[in-house]
Amino acid sequence: EVQLVESGGGLVQPGRSLRLSCAASGFTFDDYAMHWVRQVPGKGLEWVSSISWNSGSIYYADSVKGRFTISRDNAKNSLYLQVNSLRAEDTAFYYCVKGDNGLPYYYGMDVWGQGTTVTVSS
Amino acid sequence: QSVLTQPPSASGTPGQRVTISCSGSNSNIGNNFVYWYQQLPGTAPKLLIYRNNQRPSGVPDRFSGSRSGTSASLAISGLRSEDEADYYCAAWDDSLSGRVFGGGTKLTVL
Repeated sequence: EVQLVESGGGLVQPGRSLRLSCAASGFTFDDYAMHWVRQVPGKGLEWVSSISWNSGSIYYADSVKGRFTISRDNAKNSLYLQVNSLRAEDTAFYYCVKGDNGLPYYYGMDVWGQGTTVTVSS
Repeated sequence: QSVLTQPPSASGTPGQRVTISCSGSNSNIGNNFVYWYQQLPGTAPKLLIYRNNQRPSGVPDRFSGSRSGTSASLAISGLRSEDEADYYCAAWDDSLSGRVFGGGTKLTVL
């Protein structure tokens, strides 16, 4: 069974940093692109970032470009999101999502983790 | 304002057929696969339709997807109370070099 377990969320002050992690199991991790998607409670889904199977293609939403960094460690079956210079508007539930192909574009996402909460507040 | 346009709400009675639309452009729906997700209250989204019209195993055949030009739609037949949820369409956007979602459609089963 495919499983994605996020961790690393929490309450953080504006301007500070966090590192979100996603532990993957149940599939051949390095065959698939991986993604981060966030959702403000009560609002819609917002794509954050995507990374190809070999980290060769990386994409970010304009709202996080220059502040967030996606990475993966295929040896550890893990996905990461380094979130810097956090703002109040980054407060959301962050989901780790498996791609249904090795490429982050053209194709899409299939399995979602349960998410981790990031709250930015002083 | 979402790049993909969905109606904010839809409704139907048990047993009815409901369709949810998703309108985009040549840079997204017109040139890339469309995916549909169902989000039940308090849970993570779940894949409902992938690559325009494919159903993952475990998803009832009451759910179907289609794409025509720059629009896509999700049809739910034989509506059931447990179908009450938020539904999102998504696709890659070549112009934005990013993934885009519809704003979501809240389905109510009357």
